Amino acid sequence: NAGVTQTPKFRVLKTGQSMTLLCAQDMNHEYMYWYRQDPGMGLRLIHYSVGEGTTAKGEVPDGYNVSRLKKQNFLLGLESAAPSQTSVYFCASGRSSYQPQHFGDGTRLSIL
Amino acid sequence: RKEVEQDPGPFNVPEGATVAFNCTYSNSASQSFFWYRQDCRKEPKLLMSVYSSGNEDGRFTAQLNRASQYISLLIRDSKLSDSATYLCVVIWSNSGYALNFGKGTSLLVTP
Repeated sequence: NAGVTQTPKFRVLKTGQSMTLLCAQDMNHEYMYWYRQDPGMGLRLIHYSVGEGTTAKGEVPDGYNVSRLKKQNFLLGLESAAPSQTSVYFCASGRSSYQPQHFGDGTRLSIL
Repeated sequence: RKEVEQDPGPFNVPEGATVAFNCTYSNSASQSFFWYRQDCRKEPKLLMSVYSSGNEDGRFTAQLNRASQYISLLIRDSKLSDSATYLCVVIWSNSGYALNFGKGTSLLVTP
């Protein structure tokens, strides 16, 4: 009964390093999303995907790239990490754009 | 103007009290409405959908007022375990992609 799984759970990076966050869902959902959550800012959409092989920009896409090579996986990449990208990152998936989303338990990322 | 607005609180209520939260939205083309709950340092979890006729799930009642563009959540007989942040979520038909989250209302239920 995994649902949405995010790896890693925690990570500390130095400015300029790169990394990839992995999101995997086992519910056969078409839609997948990456959000970041910062104090006082609420959840903000970074990128999303409406199906395998598709990606699109959300509200705050700069500095991030994504890929959806397989339906069950949605990868979020930081090519050159910046301190402003310190945040909690949540992945979510949903059956359609009108259906509620199911969230992973988050990745806490600190960039020094 | 913010798309989805909530009073951030915190709402401090004693155990057993009834508490209500409102959430206003700006887009009249809004299609679907939800309340999510988020515990400290945890992921948001769906609490309940909000239907036009209003709906109830145990101690929780959700209402939608399309004319005034707001939704509400009523919690009766508050429990200590209800302490959390409650996120209002609105999907509008022309957004194309995503849930629009309010920033949340913080509830603290005290003994």
